Amino acid sequence: EAQVTQNPRYLITVTGKKLTVTCSQNMNHEYMSWYRQDPGLGLRQIYYSMNVEVTDKGDVPEGYKVSRKEKRNFPLILESPSPNQTSLYFCASNLSGATEATQYFGPGTRLTVL
Amino acid sequence: QKEVEQNSGPLSVPEGAIASLNCTYSDRGSQSFFWYRQYSGKSPELIMSIYSNGDKEDGRFTAQLNKASQYVSLLIRDSQPSDSATYLCAVGGGADGLTFGKGTHLIIQP
Repeated sequence: EAQVTQNPRYLITVTGKKLTVTCSQNMNHEYMSWYRQDPGLGLRQIYYSMNVEVTDKGDVPEGYKVSRKEKRNFPLILESPSPNQTSLYFCASNLSGATEATQYFGPGTRLTVL
Repeated sequence: QKEVEQNSGPLSVPEGAIASLNCTYSDRGSQSFFWYRQYSGKSPELIMSIYSNGDKEDGRFTAQLNKASQYVSLLIRDSQPSDSATYLCAVGGGADGLTFGKGTHLIIQP
């Protein structure tokens, strides 16, 4: 089944404790991205990647890191999480990043930072 | 910065009626337009895409695009309670991916 997977789905952590949210897609997509969704603010892009070893900042990159060492994986790293990073996170992918490409979303990761 | 505007709602529509959702965007260079449906706590699900001016129909859904007015709409005919959700308008046009509106909360009243 073609899908984008994320792990963990739920995470409660404390301020300053490094964490990684994994994202993997099995559709051989070149383009992957991370979003956060907050009430009243909608979906905002954190980082995106056009291909392996190519990443770029989205609208809200502060406090986050990403890497793209393999085509299928695009982990999101929070080196020192803070309470304002409590949010619902979505990973997404599409075939090429072209304007008409359909974007597929993972199931989401609900993160709480205490 | 690219902006996509939607009325947050809630928009309340009787079952069986037509629900009309609207979206405006700021970047005239935008080339692709999408409507996603999102149930509470779930991931967005693509329901319509449109790339050229005019109407595009798919079942009970019709997307309308007017690039001159920078306006996109979604019509849902014969609304069902299962259509109750938040509808996200998304606009694309460059390598930096999609810009999303904040969504319109739609409630279909039985």
